[in-house]
Amino acid sequence: KAGVTQTPRYLIKTRGQQVTLSCSPISGHRSVSWYQQTPGQGLQFLFEYFSETQRNKGNFPGRFSGRQFSNSRSEMNVSTLELGDSALYLCASSAGTHNEQFFGPGTRLTVL
Amino acid sequence: DQQVKQNSPSLSVQEGRISILNCDYTNSMFDYFLWYKKYPAEGPTFLISISSIKDKNEDGRFTVFLNKSAKHLSLHIVPSQPGDSAVYFCAAKTSGTYKYIFGTGTRLKVLA
Repeated sequence: KAGVTQTPRYLIKTRGQQVTLSCSPISGHRSVSWYQQTPGQGLQFLFEYFSETQRNKGNFPGRFSGRQFSNSRSEMNVSTLELGDSALYLCASSAGTHNEQFFGPGTRLTVL
Repeated sequence: DQQVKQNSPSLSVQEGRISILNCDYTNSMFDYFLWYKKYPAEGPTFLISISSIKDKNEDGRFTVFLNKSAKHLSLHIVPSQPGDSAVYFCAAKTSGTYKYIFGTGTRLKVLA
């Protein structure tokens, strides 16, 4: 079974631009979560989608948004990029509640 | 507000000895806990989990202990191996939500 894939793996943007990151979950997994990892902050929960619906949202500004498609693939978008958005963005999929999440390798975003 | 805390940013252990990684939480509503291991340039990998109805769960060399009254969990690795050198994250969630709260991680170094 193929794992969680994320594209692109690396991205460099400048302040004010917007970016879209993509995540393909493990086949059969309908839940997709997104996390931001920065040094010293651990993994910060962004949002979780299940069957195209956002079920939970973390404490991030509205510049961070996401969506999920009917095939469970998910995208997250960050508009008006700030220097502080530089981070590793991780996507995780799971089969349902009380199941472990399987993470992708992440997208390393650098904002200059 | 850091609801899940890993107060030791790093830990060094000799090969063959026991590694004990600790995690504290503040939210008494958390009822499911997980440990993940992360190597550089890879996403976190699920290790072991425990439900709040248990106080211990074992899987091979990995054992997780949960002390609900102290709001504390720990991961024991016995015996430790050099390949265990990685960053370890604990995570927690509440039933009915799909939002996992992660700690900031502990970097384990197993010395050969």
